[in-house]
Amino acid sequence: DVKVTQSSRYLVKRTGEKVFLECVQDMDHENMFWYRQDPGLGLRLIYFSYDVKMKEKGDIPEGYSVSREKKERFSLILESASTNQTSMYLCASSLAALYLTDTQYFGPGTRLTVL
Amino acid sequence: QQPVQSPQAVILREGEDAVINCSSSKALYSVHWYRQKHGEAPIFLMILLKGGEQKGHDKISASFNEKKQQSSLYLTASQLSYSGTYFCGTETTSGSRLTFGEGTQLTVNP
Repeated sequence: DVKVTQSSRYLVKRTGEKVFLECVQDMDHENMFWYRQDPGLGLRLIYFSYDVKMKEKGDIPEGYSVSREKKERFSLILESASTNQTSMYLCASSLAALYLTDTQYFGPGTRLTVL
Repeated sequence: QQPVQSPQAVILREGEDAVINCSSSKALYSVHWYRQKHGEAPIFLMILLKGGEQKGHDKISASFNEKKQQSSLYLTASQLSYSGTYFCGTETTSGSRLTFGEGTQLTVNP
């Protein structure tokens, strides 16, 4: 069964802290994605990766970076968290490299609050 | 550019029907539909490819009108389990990834 896990369901951080959100998939998928979900704005793509050590900016990459050192793991990094980064963060993966419109499998999300 | 979904929210009684629309300003190659129940991960429902086909399983079906650059999701004889937020994701003919809409919150009451 397909599984995408995220390190925390809830996280509270202070302004200026460095924040790491971890995502792991066990399906040997090539593509991994990070989205943020806000009421009325839907799912917005932050970054994606189609291979180890490869990354591409999505629609809202400002204030974020990512790391993919292993195929199964994709990390989202907030270098200096700000209150406007309070949101639900969803990780997803899909099978085929460079076929970025393949079915995506989502993790349960991390609700991040920045105080 | 994000596709536009309508309505933003809909409340139904069990057994009623609903239609959720997804429109794009760009030519589309495919439309994907996902559902997210409260507190859970979004799950894939179906994909519609250019060609105007209609798809469905159980009492949830969808159509894709490529000329109008829009898709509609039809929920027939709704069940309590249909409650959640429905997202469409669109792939344009010039793009290579999905862009999701803002979501439609569907509530089915007894």
